[in-house]
Amino acid sequence: DTEVTQTPKHLVMGMTNKKSLKCEQHMGHRAMYWYKQKAKKPPELMFVYSYEKLSINESVPSRFSPECPNSSLLNLHLHALQPEDSALYLCASSHSIQETVRDTEAFFGQGTRLTVV
Amino acid sequence: AQTVTQSQPEMSVQEAETVTLSCTYDTSENNYYLFWYKQPPSRQMILVIRQEAYKQQNATENRFSVNFQKAAKSFSLKISDSQLGDTAMYFCAFRRATGGGADGLTFGKGTHLIIQP
Repeated sequence: DTEVTQTPKHLVMGMTNKKSLKCEQHMGHRAMYWYKQKAKKPPELMFVYSYEKLSINESVPSRFSPECPNSSLLNLHLHALQPEDSALYLCASSHSIQETVRDTEAFFGQGTRLTVV
Repeated sequence: AQTVTQSQPEMSVQEAETVTLSCTYDTSENNYYLFWYKQPPSRQMILVIRQEAYKQQNATENRFSVNFQKAAKSFSLKISDSQLGDTAMYFCAFRRATGGGADGLTFGKGTHLIIQP
């Protein structure tokens, strides 16, 4: 199983709503990532979890709150978002320790297309 | 910090032709990995090919090969016998070799490759 599953695929939310994005993998990866991708732009790293602990936060506003409840799951909790937060949110996973070059590969989900109205 | 530059926003070639996508990068790291990812309209990022910086030999994967010039900090992708299914956005990406712990990818702006029938 080399799949990273993200739900939901599409989400429309108001600026006062609270919602969550979910990401799941069963490849035994201990590193998980959230990226934000605006239209016609490259993905930008938001958060990195390593062994269920937050290791990198790329100065993301607090209205985005990540959570890694176990080694297979990664959530992104959303609250009081702005219209400019509308984007594709990609989850990825990889091995945390890179013993071989194959360990460096990041597997991506299909993303959640988020629209904030 | 590292930067990745892709200077070709869009390229179009005929089916069965060979096409080369350019990528340059800047880093002070000595050990790192370079990747080409493909993102078709389905949105999922798919790894095309990877290269370890400490290996002089250029990586190849079937119709895909790279020309890695470490001193010039250049990492181009050659696609031979191009197929309609190769139509996608192609991103060049950089990752530090941390030796332990996770690190995210830094992407270039991408090249939109169109294969014409």
